[in-house]
Amino acid sequence: DLQMTQSPSTLSASVGDRVTITCRASQSISSWLAWYQWKPGKAPKLLIYKASSLESGVPSRFSGSGSGTEFTLTISSLQPDDFATYYCQQYKGTFGQGTKVEIK
Amino acid sequence: QVQLVQSGAEVKKPGASVKVSCKASGYTFSTYGITWVRQAPGQGLEWMGWINVHNGYTDYAQNFQGRVTMTTDISTSTAYMDLRSLRSDDTAVYYCARTSYAMDVWGQGTTVTVSS
Repeated sequence: DLQMTQSPSTLSASVGDRVTITCRASQSISSWLAWYQWKPGKAPKLLIYKASSLESGVPSRFSGSGSGTEFTLTISSLQPDDFATYYCQQYKGTFGQGTKVEIK
Repeated sequence: QVQLVQSGAEVKKPGASVKVSCKASGYTFSTYGITWVRQAPGQGLEWMGWINVHNGYTDYAQNFQGRVTMTTDISTSTAYMDLRSLRSDDTAVYYCARTSYAMDVWGQGTTVTVSS
């Protein structure tokens, strides 16, 4: 089975910091990767699809890159609303275990 | 506007079944798939499977093979997820999500509690 591994599991950062989250697939998934933001009590929100395409309405401080087996989500300048848990997901399949972005 | 509205919370006993509904509005139901995802308390997101609304094709996660059935009713723009032989570790929030290039619109979630 294809596995998705995110790192780190938890990340402590301050407002204004540049934040990078990594997601690795156990086999190549081309660019079939999405990133979601989740906050407690809410449904997940799509941020990035096809590895690097920004979903409509998502702030441009979010960006995605990568292909094959290694992918990154970058937040260029962390804002208060960005403290949340982030998940990568292979297209129609497994999620990573999540990365919680906490206030430092 | 585009939205998915799920059925209300359920409490079930171990061994029972649950059927969660997801009613779509604001778009042509048959032109997108529907994915089901769950989140157990304190855990991450778990992909359960996907249904092609247009032709009924389903793809279930291995963990749920034989225990889950996903269906749709195009006449009412409603998707259903039926989970059988419930166990305590099936206690979770269950989400449906509209799916094409990714899951871009989500339902509000349905809490299913399995307890004796």
